[in-house]
This record gives sequence, C-alpha cells and structure tokens, in this order.
Amino acid sequence: IAGITQAPTSQILAAGRRMTLRCTQDMRHNAMYWYRQDLGLGLRLIHYSNTAGTTGKGEVPDGYSVSRANTDDFPLTLASAVPSQTSVYFCASSDLAGGGYNEQFFGPGTRLTVL
Amino acid sequence: GQNIDQPTEMTATEGAIVQINCTYQTSGFNGLFWYQQHAGEAPTFLSYNVLDGLEEKGRFSSFLSRSKGYSYLLLKELQMKDSASYLCAVRDSDYQLIWGAGTKLIIKP
Repeated sequence: IAGITQAPTSQILAAGRRMTLRCTQDMRHNAMYWYRQDLGLGLRLIHYSNTAGTTGKGEVPDGYSVSRANTDDFPLTLASAVPSQTSVYFCASSDLAGGGYNEQFFGPGTRLTVL
Repeated sequence: GQNIDQPTEMTATEGAIVQINCTYQTSGFNGLFWYQQHAGEAPTFLSYNVLDGLEEKGRFSSFLSRSKGYSYLLLKELQMKDSASYLCAVRDSDYQLIWGAGTKLIIKP
C-alpha cells in the first residue's frame, strides 16, 4: 500500500512552460487537496475536491487548474509557469465520508523551481 | 480574516518537556490538528482536538480552549528525533484547514 504518491519528486521548469504535477492515492479517500508550502508561510490551499467529478478553489488558485476524473487521481496543472510558482507542492487526501477525525494524509511533495 | 499564530522557533534539551502554543482566529471551528513535519518530508498527523481539554497520546499531549482560541502541544521526554517543525491547523466553517506557519523545534543534547 503506497498511500499517496506524487510525481515528479522535483522539477526545474522554464517560465512560460506548461507543467502537470501528478497525485495518486490508493486509500479510496473521497477528498483530495493541493497545497503549496513556502518558507515562513503556512500550507496554502490551491484547489480541492470533495468527491470525484467536483473541484473547488482554495486560497491561492490563480495560475493553477485541477481535474478529478476518478477517485484516485488529482493532477495539478500550471498552464504557464511563473517564477512565483516556485514552491514545494503537497497533495493530500482525507476520508470525509468516514467517522473519526477526517485527518489529511500527505504525499511526499514535489519541489518545483521556475526559472 | 483568518489567522493562526505560533512561535517561529523553539529550542529545548533532550529529555526535557516543551510546550508549543497556537492561537487562532477563524471563521468557524470544526476541530484543531497538530502535524509534525521533518525537514524535507511531508507533514504527518499527530493529534486532534474538537472539545475543550487535554488529549494525551504517549509522549505527546494536545490541549484546546475554544473560548480563548488557544491550543498547545506538549512534548515530554524529548528525543533528538523530535527535532522537526510542528504545524497547527484549524478546520473552519467550510471544512477546510487553515494552517499556521509552523514552529521549528530544535533539540539539543
């Protein structure tokens, strides 16, 4: 059982290029999230999906898009990368339908540098 | 606006006890989480509080006072492996997590 996987692990990208960060979970969680983490700032929510087929905007959605075609996959696309999108990106999932804390489980992250 | 405050950095000695505070102002409250994040790694879940009081989990305990908008994470019998950042997060009325910037805990021998 892998939990949540992300790809690539790291990437250096030229400004203006299109990039898709991949995220796959095998826990059958209904909710998935994309965050960015920058030094000195808390995790900031980019987009989320509470169930397959639906998505929502988080705190910092501009310049990013997502899709949720099925339960397991939640790719994040940067249509035209800019240097301010240099960050560490974390994908997370949670089981909102189950009982308990509904805590979020995180993937290992993608370190993205836009030059 | 929504705001989570925690100290930027703390230092403690191996074997000692440390308390990391978190204060919050959010639109609604549906629970408070503490996560641990080692450098270069993903955050991992430590504790959850939704009612006032203390939740104990081995060497780690977490306290919540909803009326004061305050929580703390208490780490006992500190070990070198506890050197990490500790993230406080509040689930708001939209059921989204609002995150603090994290507290970097440095453990000295």
